[in-house]
Amino acid sequence: DTAVSQTPKYLVTQMGNDKSIKCEQNLGHDTMYWYKQDSKKFLKIMFSYNNKELIINETVPNRFSPKSPDKAHLNLHINSLELGDSAVYFCASSQEVAGASTDTQYFGPGTRLTVL
Amino acid sequence: QQQVKQSPQSLIVQKGGIPIINCAYENTAFDYFPWYQQFPGKGPALLIAIRPDVSEKKEGRFTISFNKSAKQFSLHIMDSQPGDSATYFCAASISGYSTLTFGKGTMLLVSP
Repeated sequence: DTAVSQTPKYLVTQMGNDKSIKCEQNLGHDTMYWYKQDSKKFLKIMFSYNNKELIINETVPNRFSPKSPDKAHLNLHINSLELGDSAVYFCASSQEVAGASTDTQYFGPGTRLTVL
Repeated sequence: QQQVKQSPQSLIVQKGGIPIINCAYENTAFDYFPWYQQFPGKGPALLIAIRPDVSEKKEGRFTISFNKSAKQFSLHIMDSQPGDSATYFCAASISGYSTLTFGKGTMLLVSP
């Protein structure tokens, strides 16, 4: 029983296409995230959602749009894909406890996106 | 502006050695310092974490040393094993704000 799952694991597509990555967590967490890991393995936060509401939106092109249909899901839609979007995208989740955040983030297995 | 600086970028030790990975932070509001371990093809996973009210924390073979005045913390792996070969990330956050700021990672190779 996977805690944080992502689909697909690999995604190869042409420049200019639109694609989506799906994420689901079965941990009952309130907060979900998207991270981008580049070829040098640098992990950078892209978005954070708490109870389906966007709370963090780092400097990310507006071609990237997260969508949270419910607390357990946070999908990432990318329009007009560019070569520089090639990376591994990780979904993560955490539980915010009022007055005492646990801060532990649980990561999914990642989606390797290759734009040709 | 890189708020968490991690070194070295890569590290090779022999089995049984004690690799040490260092991190320095700038934001004095940070009050939670986790280390994440990432194996190839997997997502990062929490290894061990410390808060600034203690100077050291041990969990098994992994130890975090924390120096609040110097704004530095480090990970020590005792009796390292080939199975410890992975990329290690330090991170920092402010409790209640969720966002983790990661260091750039250290690729550790433990040779048999």
